[in-house]
Amino acid sequence: AQSVTQLDSQVPVFEEAPVELRCNYSSSVSVYLFWYVQYPNQGLQLLLKYLSGSTLVKGINGFEAEFNKSQTSFHLRKPSVHISDTAEYFCAVSDRNDYKLSFGAGTTVTVRA
Amino acid sequence: GAVVSQHPSWVICKSGTSVKIECRSLDFQATTMFWYRQFPKQSLMLMATSNEGSKATYEQGVEKDKFLINHASLTLSTLTVTSAHPEDSSFYICSAPMGPHPSAFFGQGTRLTVV
Repeated sequence: AQSVTQLDSQVPVFEEAPVELRCNYSSSVSVYLFWYVQYPNQGLQLLLKYLSGSTLVKGINGFEAEFNKSQTSFHLRKPSVHISDTAEYFCAVSDRNDYKLSFGAGTTVTVRA
Repeated sequence: GAVVSQHPSWVICKSGTSVKIECRSLDFQATTMFWYRQFPKQSLMLMATSNEGSKATYEQGVEKDKFLINHASLTLSTLTVTSAHPEDSSFYICSAPMGPHPSAFFGQGTRLTVV
């Protein structure tokens, strides 16, 4: 079984500032890693995913994440945020033989002008 | 791109009644779909895996008779909350994987309020 820990429950940030959302996972097997964004009363949208290959993954809306196997981390970053990035962000993990996703508790990002 | 459509987006029902939520994959076939429940300000908890043509697989602690899942076709899974009670009020979200990787597509969610 896998588990995901998102280290920050809330992250306030000013517009045009950088943001980093931290995610650590634990698993006894090789995994796939994901970041999703959820806007109020909506479903989840995939931001990016790590399946294999390069450990630096670029996603939509200017987000990127780096897979660090030794630290079992998959932190999400954006160099300059917009007001529209205000949302809930979820890190998720799946083992390579299963479609099931295990989600972290989520990080609320609030971008202020 | 691939889309998962969930209907209705919100529903209010009386205690004791049943509510059906639909999850459709619009331009791809999904032999497997997932149903999640999300409480306010919390993460998604997997309730069950819906399998086309066979019984759903429920996660531990989820009442099978309470949350009936039917996956009658390759593009439709339904979740029926039977004899709903106020504690069943929640946000329910479905998802469907596409291809060999589980980067699932999610429906827009259904806000259920039981009064």
